[in-house]
This record gives sequence, C-alpha cells and structure tokens, in this order.
Amino acid sequence: SAVISQKPSRDICQRGTSLTIQCQVDSQVTMMFWYRQQPGQSLTLIATANQGSEATYESGFVIDKFPISRPNLTFSTLTVSNMSPEDSSIYLCSVADGHSNQPQHFGDGTRLSIL
Amino acid sequence: GDSVTQMEGPVTLSEEAFLTINCTYTATGYPSLFWYVQYPGEGLQLLLKATKADDKGSNKGFEATYRKETTSFHLEKGSVQVSDSAVYFCLSYAGGTSYGKLTFGQGTILTVHP
Repeated sequence: SAVISQKPSRDICQRGTSLTIQCQVDSQVTMMFWYRQQPGQSLTLIATANQGSEATYESGFVIDKFPISRPNLTFSTLTVSNMSPEDSSIYLCSVADGHSNQPQHFGDGTRLSIL
Repeated sequence: GDSVTQMEGPVTLSEEAFLTINCTYTATGYPSLFWYVQYPGEGLQLLLKATKADDKGSNKGFEATYRKETTSFHLEKGSVQVSDSAVYFCLSYAGGTSYGKLTFGQGTILTVHP
C-alpha cells in the first residue's frame, strides 16, 4: 500500500502568517485529498487535488484560503493562508491509488497551532 | 445524502472488558463499510472492512458485521487492552470501481485503563 509522508508533522504559527504543508507519496496515485480535523472532531474534506487541473473544493472552503498544488502524481501541497486561531487543526493528506484494499490511505497529519 | 452515525463517546473501559461501538449508516446504494483507528499523534489506519451484506470484517481481535437489515456495522472486541486506546471512525464508501467520497462518522474516543 502507498506510504505517505507529510511535512511538517507539527508547527506553531503566528496569526496572519501562512504555512505550506507537503504530502509526498512513494508511488504514483491518481487522486490526493486534503482533510481538516478540528480538535475533538471528525475529518472534513477540504479539497480533491488532481494532477494537471485545479483542485476541487468542498463547500465552505475556498482557494484563496487553502491554495493547493499538485505538480505531479506523487506530490501535493496545501497552504493555510492568513491564519487565525480558528485554523488550529490537524491537516491530513490521503491518496487513492485505485487498486488496494481500501479507498484511501492517510498520512500522519500536520498538527497546526495558531497563536 | 449518505451519512454515518456513531455511538457518542468518550468510552472508558477497564482492561479485558467487552467493547461495542455502534455505527449505523444511510445510503442510496450498497456501500462498503470500514472501521479506521487513529492512535494518539498518528493518522488514520484501516482496522477492518466489509464490502457486502453479511460480510464480517476482523482484525486484531476486533470484529464488525455488515447488517443490511439494520443498516449497521457495530465494532466489537471481547477483551480490550490499554493499547487499544484510540479514536475509532466508522466510514462508508460508495465508490465501486470509480472514485467516490468517503462518509465519516464523528469518531468515538476509547480509553482503556489498566
């Protein structure tokens, strides 16, 4: 199954700054996803990142706040822009490779705290 | 749309106690059902799955049976250990051979005391 590496694993940031989270997969995958997990909550899908096209955002999430890149089939980034304390969450990357025993494989997440 | 409802937590048990975490789903078709586990500081890992009615998924002593008549996929374990302390998520997936979105339950926090 796909092995996913997310960087950074955690960070503490100042209000108003931006942070870019990287997601690297050890194999080529068709679809990559970004989720947000707020404290004590379940996962909420932010967007689907497809190689060679614009990301598809879910209701309540916009590109200006969460710009996403997908330059190739093994890598994606999510930027959290102009951060506020409400953005303090775990951000998880997942991938769908279309031929494993589960629909998506998840990274370990990035734990983000905004002061 | 599709939805998954999990038993509210947190659940606190003593070691060797019996565990049940209830999960029910609503779906227009026949989704695959999964239990994922999130250990402290980690991402989500697949625990077990069932792809059709009456299938039983099992792993690490955990079991869940896909019950179409009750639209349920309850997670059970006969004797929990401290190392089972984690957050458990019930998920449904209606993708079939093409990509479909995952539907998440709200998660249930399990704490097992020695």
